[in-house]
Amino acid sequence: KNEVEQSPQNLTAQEGEFITINCSYSVGISALHWLQQHPGGGIVSLFMLSSGKKKHGRLIATINIQEKHSSLHITASHPRDSAVYICAVVTGANSKLTFGKGITLSVRP
Amino acid sequence: DTGVSQNPRHKITKRGQNVTFRCDPISEHNRLYWYRQTLGQGPEFLTYFQNEAQLEKSRLLSDRFSAERPKGSFSTLEIQRTEQGDSAMYLCASSRTGNTEAFFGQGTRLTVV
Repeated sequence: KNEVEQSPQNLTAQEGEFITINCSYSVGISALHWLQQHPGGGIVSLFMLSSGKKKHGRLIATINIQEKHSSLHITASHPRDSAVYICAVVTGANSKLTFGKGITLSVRP
Repeated sequence: DTGVSQNPRHKITKRGQNVTFRCDPISEHNRLYWYRQTLGQGPEFLTYFQNEAQLEKSRLLSDRFSAERPKGSFSTLEIQRTEQGDSAMYLCASSRTGNTEAFFGQGTRLTVV
């Protein structure tokens, strides 16, 4: 079993829909990242969370440390949101990242 | 500062050749990480530097792989005698001690033919 699991595996949505991507982890962490990766591109950090909830524009990220679960919500989705969304947890004294497989999101116009 | 820079962006090499990638982290960041991402998978940790010291290496880092950060600034990752299984995106990230926020480069995509 992977230390970081994401669901669903792939997701297709219609423009304007509310989208939720989930992440569960099985290890102790100091923080959790939500990352975005476009085809052929590098990785951009959307959020870093250690507790509670953060909001940036149409994106909201929440984390429940007790349940070892985090969600990324996209409100009023747009085709430009199409990308791979990766959950990564920060572990150990060296603060290295352990990644989920990522979820490919496709938003249709 | 333009963020984390990786060069080259793409590299195609023949099996058996050696390749070297470079990562320039954000200037005040003392922590530097290398990760490898194969198609359809999330990135996997390869190695970690704090300043010039290589403090952690993954079991994924076979003896054909070597990484350096000689002056605690830029880092190089060398793969000797490349194999087709080395084909992947190699990502570099940097951060500061005491701040777990990591910043990523654009990656180097290696294709071994």
